[in-house]
Amino acid sequence: GAGVSQTPSNKVTEKGKYVELRCDPISGHTALYWYRQSLGQGPEFLIYFQGTGAADDSGLPNDRFFAVRPEGSVSTLKIQRTERGDSAVYLCASSLDRSHYGYTFGSGTRLTVV
Amino acid sequence: KQEVTQIPAALSVPEGENLVLNCSFTDSAIYNLQWFRQDPGKGLTSLLLIQSSQREQTSGRLNASLDKSSGRSTLYIAASQPGDSATYLCAVLHYNQGGKLIFGQGTELSVKP
Repeated sequence: GAGVSQTPSNKVTEKGKYVELRCDPISGHTALYWYRQSLGQGPEFLIYFQGTGAADDSGLPNDRFFAVRPEGSVSTLKIQRTERGDSAVYLCASSLDRSHYGYTFGSGTRLTVV
Repeated sequence: KQEVTQIPAALSVPEGENLVLNCSFTDSAIYNLQWFRQDPGKGLTSLLLIQSSQREQTSGRLNASLDKSSGRSTLYIAASQPGDSATYLCAVLHYNQGGKLIFGQGTELSVKP
């Protein structure tokens, strides 16, 4: 597609529920990244995929967070047993190559846990 | 551990002024540095990408410089307009931190008509 698409744009869920956030990267981009941004802060890295595999998942805060990219294109970020502290904007980005081509970000999913 | 700092945290200027936003990073072993713009409630829009071998990049009224040895980058905005009001973020891609960008906390710019 023309840009990075994230769905839904907004998600409100109850504490303890399971949520899935979807990212559709730019066609042909092999690298995909998830970031989390809290109010007034810069984005913080969660996980990076190169193709289908997670090349770096060091930013995932705990084992309630998991992400997949089974066919090397669309990625899903999954959060189990959501907590109010998970409320944030979740941003996805894609890139042709991690080092030289820069990143294109989606508009994000605003997650609110009530 | 790479850390990125942006100063000031907020800036308010009258329309027409030229202004400079600052970004500093602690480790000079970077592949590149990227400046982004973020409007309230929106995602990030890439403004300028400077590779580690470059000194500056220009796009319209924007000019970004990079001094790796001192760990600094500046974003210069000429003849500011109310439409420039947004949060500006810088981010570095570090050699030893895989594919992840390290972001500063951003500078919130307000340009008054």
